[in-house]
Amino acid sequence: SQKIEQNSEALNIQEGKTATLTCNYTNYSPAYLQWYRQDPGRGPVFLLLIRENEKEKRKERLKVTFDTTLKQSLFHITASQPADSATYLCALDLADRGSTLGRLYFGRGTQLTVWP
Amino acid sequence: ETGVTQTPRHLVMGMTNKKSLKCEQHLGHNAMYWYKQSAKKPLELMFVYSLEERVENNSVPSRFSPECPNSSHLFLHLHTLQPEDSALYLCASSLIRGYDQPQHFGDGTRLSIL
Repeated sequence: SQKIEQNSEALNIQEGKTATLTCNYTNYSPAYLQWYRQDPGRGPVFLLLIRENEKEKRKERLKVTFDTTLKQSLFHITASQPADSATYLCALDLADRGSTLGRLYFGRGTQLTVWP
Repeated sequence: ETGVTQTPRHLVMGMTNKKSLKCEQHLGHNAMYWYKQSAKKPLELMFVYSLEERVENNSVPSRFSPECPNSSHLFLHLHTLQPEDSALYLCASSLIRGYDQPQHFGDGTRLSIL
Protein backbone atom coordinates (compact mmCIF):
# COMPACT_ATOMS: atom_id res chain seq x y z
CA SER A 1 0.00 0.00 0.00
CA GLN A 2 1.02 3.60 -0.48
CA LYS A 3 2.69 5.33 2.42
CA ILE A 4 3.57 8.99 2.90
CA GLU A 5 5.54 10.01 5.97
CA GLN A 6 6.40 13.45 7.22
CA ASN A 7 9.40 13.38 9.48
CA SER A 8 7.90 14.69 12.65
CA GLU A 9 4.61 15.81 14.07
CA ALA A 10 6.08 19.03 15.42
CA LEU A 11 9.07 21.25 14.74
CA ASN A 12 10.01 24.25 16.87
CA ILE A 13 12.59 26.76 15.67
CA GLN A 14 13.74 30.25 16.47
CA GLU A 15 12.80 33.19 14.29
CA GLY A 16 15.33 33.84 11.53
CA LYS A 17 16.46 30.22 11.27
CA THR A 18 15.72 27.87 8.37
CA ALA A 19 13.00 25.30 8.89
CA THR A 20 13.44 22.01 7.04
CA LEU A 21 10.54 19.59 6.74
CA THR A 22 10.81 16.11 5.25
CA CYS A 23 8.37 14.03 3.23
CA ASN A 24 9.16 10.41 2.39
CA TYR A 25 7.04 8.05 0.34
CA THR A 26 7.10 4.39 -0.65
CA ASN A 27 5.71 2.13 -3.34
CA TYR A 28 4.98 4.74 -5.97
CA SER A 29 6.52 7.02 -8.58
CA PRO A 30 4.41 10.20 -8.59
CA ALA A 31 4.52 12.59 -11.51
CA TYR A 32 4.63 15.48 -9.06
CA LEU A 33 4.46 16.37 -5.41
CA GLN A 34 2.78 19.30 -3.70
CA TRP A 35 3.15 21.17 -0.41
CA TYR A 36 0.29 22.87 1.40
CA ARG A 37 -0.05 25.02 4.50
CA GLN A 38 -2.96 24.62 6.90
CA ASP A 39 -3.88 27.00 9.70
CA PRO A 40 -6.21 25.98 12.55
CA GLY A 41 -9.85 25.95 11.47
CA ARG A 42 -8.99 26.58 7.83
CA GLY A 43 -8.57 24.50 4.71
CA PRO A 44 -5.13 23.75 3.24
CA VAL A 45 -3.57 26.41 1.04
CA PHE A 46 -1.35 25.45 -1.88
CA LEU A 47 2.28 26.54 -1.67
CA LEU A 48 4.45 24.76 -4.23
CA LEU A 49 4.33 21.99 -6.81
CA ILE A 50 7.42 20.17 -8.05
CA ARG A 51 7.50 17.73 -10.97
CA GLU A 52 9.43 14.47 -11.15
CA ASN A 53 11.92 15.94 -13.62
CA GLU A 54 12.63 18.96 -11.42
CA LYS A 55 15.23 18.84 -8.68
CA GLU A 56 14.39 22.11 -6.98
CA LYS A 57 11.70 24.79 -6.94
CA ARG A 58 11.73 28.17 -5.22
CA LYS A 59 9.14 30.77 -4.31
CA GLU A 60 10.23 33.72 -2.23
CA ARG A 61 11.50 32.26 1.08
CA LEU A 62 10.31 28.75 0.22
CA LYS A 63 12.34 26.01 -1.44
CA VAL A 64 11.32 22.47 -2.32
CA THR A 65 13.57 19.65 -3.48
CA PHE A 66 12.47 16.35 -4.98
CA ASP A 67 14.70 13.26 -5.08
CA THR A 68 12.89 10.47 -6.90
CA THR A 69 15.71 8.03 -6.19
CA LEU A 70 15.47 8.54 -2.44
CA LYS A 71 11.68 8.99 -2.72
CA GLN A 72 11.96 12.12 -0.65
CA SER A 73 11.04 15.79 -0.75
CA LEU A 74 12.49 18.48 1.48
CA PHE A 75 10.65 21.73 2.18
CA HIS A 76 12.66 24.69 3.44
CA ILE A 77 11.52 28.01 4.85
CA THR A 78 14.41 30.44 5.12
CA ALA A 79 14.48 33.43 7.49
CA SER A 80 11.48 31.97 9.29
CA GLN A 81 8.97 34.25 11.00
CA PRO A 82 6.34 33.63 13.68
CA ALA A 83 3.72 34.09 10.94
CA ASP A 84 5.09 30.93 9.32
CA SER A 85 3.74 28.90 12.25
CA ALA A 86 1.23 26.42 10.81
CA THR A 87 0.89 22.78 9.79
CA TYR A 88 2.60 21.90 6.53
CA LEU A 89 1.27 19.04 4.43
CA CYS A 90 2.99 17.00 1.75
CA ALA A 91 0.75 15.50 -0.96
CA LEU A 92 1.29 13.08 -3.83
CA ASP A 93 -0.96 12.59 -6.83
CA LEU A 94 -1.41 8.84 -7.01
CA ALA A 95 -3.96 8.70 -9.83
CA ASP A 96 -3.26 6.60 -12.88
CA ARG A 97 -1.29 8.72 -15.30
CA GLY A 98 -4.02 8.34 -17.92
CA SER A 99 -6.75 9.66 -15.63
CA THR A 100 -8.07 13.19 -15.98
CA LEU A 101 -8.77 13.41 -12.24
CA GLY A 102 -6.06 14.03 -9.69
CA ARG A 103 -6.10 11.97 -6.52
CA LEU A 104 -4.04 13.61 -3.82
CA TYR A 105 -2.86 11.56 -0.87
CA PHE A 106 -1.57 13.55 2.07
CA GLY A 107 0.90 12.98 4.84
CA ARG A 108 -0.14 13.68 8.43
CA GLY A 109 1.61 17.02 8.36
CA THR A 110 4.29 18.71 10.43
CA GLN A 111 3.23 21.42 12.87
CA LEU A 112 5.82 24.18 12.69
CA THR A 113 6.16 26.72 15.48
CA VAL A 114 8.49 29.68 15.03
CA TRP A 115 9.19 31.48 18.28
CA PRO A 116 10.50 35.05 18.51
CA GLU B 1 -11.62 34.39 0.38
CA THR B 2 -10.47 31.13 -1.16
CA GLY B 3 -12.87 30.94 -4.11
CA VAL B 4 -14.35 27.75 -2.66
CA THR B 5 -17.27 28.25 -0.29
CA GLN B 6 -18.61 25.55 2.01
CA THR B 7 -21.85 25.67 3.99
CA PRO B 8 -22.63 25.24 6.75
CA ARG B 9 -19.38 25.86 8.62
CA HIS B 10 -20.57 23.86 11.60
CA LEU B 11 -23.16 21.10 11.82
CA VAL B 12 -24.36 19.07 14.77
CA MET B 13 -26.68 16.20 14.01
CA GLY B 14 -28.08 13.06 15.54
CA MET B 15 -27.36 9.64 14.12
CA THR B 16 -30.82 9.35 12.60
CA ASN B 17 -30.85 12.73 10.85
CA LYS B 18 -30.38 13.45 7.17
CA LYS B 19 -28.40 16.53 6.18
CA SER B 20 -26.38 17.81 3.25
CA LEU B 21 -23.11 19.67 2.97
CA LYS B 22 -22.75 22.15 0.14
CA CYS B 23 -19.70 23.34 -1.76
CA GLU B 24 -19.53 26.01 -4.45
CA GLN B 25 -16.48 27.11 -6.41
CA HIS B 26 -16.05 30.40 -8.27
CA LEU B 27 -12.73 29.62 -9.93
CA GLY B 28 -13.86 28.18 -13.25
CA HIS B 29 -12.52 24.76 -12.31
CA ASN B 30 -13.86 21.52 -13.76
CA ALA B 31 -13.01 18.98 -11.04
CA MET B 32 -14.23 18.86 -7.44
CA TYR B 33 -13.30 16.75 -4.44
CA TRP B 34 -14.51 15.77 -0.97
CA TYR B 35 -12.00 15.05 1.80
CA LYS B 36 -12.41 13.97 5.42
CA GLN B 37 -9.97 15.24 8.05
CA SER B 38 -10.04 13.57 11.44
CA ALA B 39 -7.84 14.45 14.38
CA LYS B 40 -4.31 13.02 14.11
CA LYS B 41 -5.05 11.47 10.70
CA PRO B 42 -4.09 12.52 7.17
CA LEU B 43 -6.67 14.06 4.88
CA GLU B 44 -8.63 11.20 3.36
CA LEU B 45 -9.90 11.51 -0.20
CA MET B 46 -13.55 10.48 -0.36
CA PHE B 47 -14.83 11.37 -3.83
CA VAL B 48 -13.58 12.98 -7.01
CA TYR B 49 -15.82 14.45 -9.72
CA SER B 50 -15.59 15.93 -13.14
CA LEU B 51 -18.32 16.05 -15.79
CA GLU B 52 -16.62 13.16 -17.57
CA GLU B 53 -15.48 10.99 -14.71
CA ARG B 54 -16.30 10.12 -11.12
CA VAL B 55 -13.94 8.31 -8.77
CA GLU B 56 -14.93 6.93 -5.41
CA ASN B 57 -12.87 5.71 -2.53
CA ASN B 58 -14.25 2.22 -1.99
CA SER B 59 -13.65 2.46 1.73
CA VAL B 60 -16.21 5.28 2.13
CA PRO B 61 -19.45 3.97 3.67
CA SER B 62 -22.68 4.23 1.71
CA ARG B 63 -24.13 6.59 4.35
CA PHE B 64 -22.15 9.27 2.49
CA SER B 65 -23.64 10.08 -0.91
CA PRO B 66 -22.10 12.70 -3.23
CA GLU B 67 -23.90 14.73 -5.87
CA CYS B 68 -22.34 16.99 -8.49
CA PRO B 69 -25.09 18.70 -10.52
CA ASN B 70 -22.66 20.95 -12.44
CA SER B 71 -19.01 21.94 -12.45
CA SER B 72 -19.52 24.65 -9.81
CA HIS B 73 -21.48 22.79 -7.16
CA LEU B 74 -20.86 19.69 -5.09
CA PHE B 75 -22.98 18.20 -2.33
CA LEU B 76 -22.39 15.52 0.25
CA HIS B 77 -25.61 13.93 1.49
CA LEU B 78 -25.43 12.40 4.94
CA HIS B 79 -27.76 9.87 6.55
CA THR B 80 -27.63 7.62 9.61
CA LEU B 81 -24.12 8.68 10.48
CA GLN B 82 -22.01 7.21 13.26
CA PRO B 83 -20.03 9.01 16.00
CA GLU B 84 -16.76 8.16 14.20
CA ASP B 85 -17.96 10.27 11.28
CA SER B 86 -17.39 13.41 13.34
CA ALA B 87 -14.65 15.29 11.49
CA LEU B 88 -13.83 18.27 9.32
CA TYR B 89 -15.15 17.77 5.78
CA LEU B 90 -13.25 19.69 3.16
CA CYS B 91 -14.20 20.45 -0.41
CA ALA B 92 -11.63 21.30 -3.06
CA SER B 93 -11.60 22.15 -6.75
CA SER B 94 -9.04 22.21 -9.55
CA LEU B 95 -8.63 22.02 -13.28
CA ILE B 96 -8.65 18.48 -14.56
CA ARG B 97 -5.39 16.61 -14.42
CA GLY B 98 -2.90 17.00 -17.17
CA TYR B 99 -2.30 20.59 -16.21
CA ASP B 100 -0.68 19.62 -12.90
CA GLN B 101 -2.86 22.15 -11.17
CA PRO B 102 -3.05 22.51 -7.42
CA GLN B 103 -6.26 22.01 -5.53
CA HIS B 104 -8.06 24.94 -3.92
CA PHE B 105 -9.77 24.12 -0.65
CA GLY B 106 -12.70 25.60 1.20
CA ASP B 107 -12.51 26.07 4.95
CA GLY B 108 -14.59 23.00 5.64
CA THR B 109 -17.67 21.95 7.55
CA ARG B 110 -17.03 20.84 11.12
CA LEU B 111 -19.44 17.94 11.64
CA SER B 112 -20.33 16.58 15.06
CA ILE B 113 -22.47 13.47 15.46
CA LEU B 114 -24.30 13.13 18.75
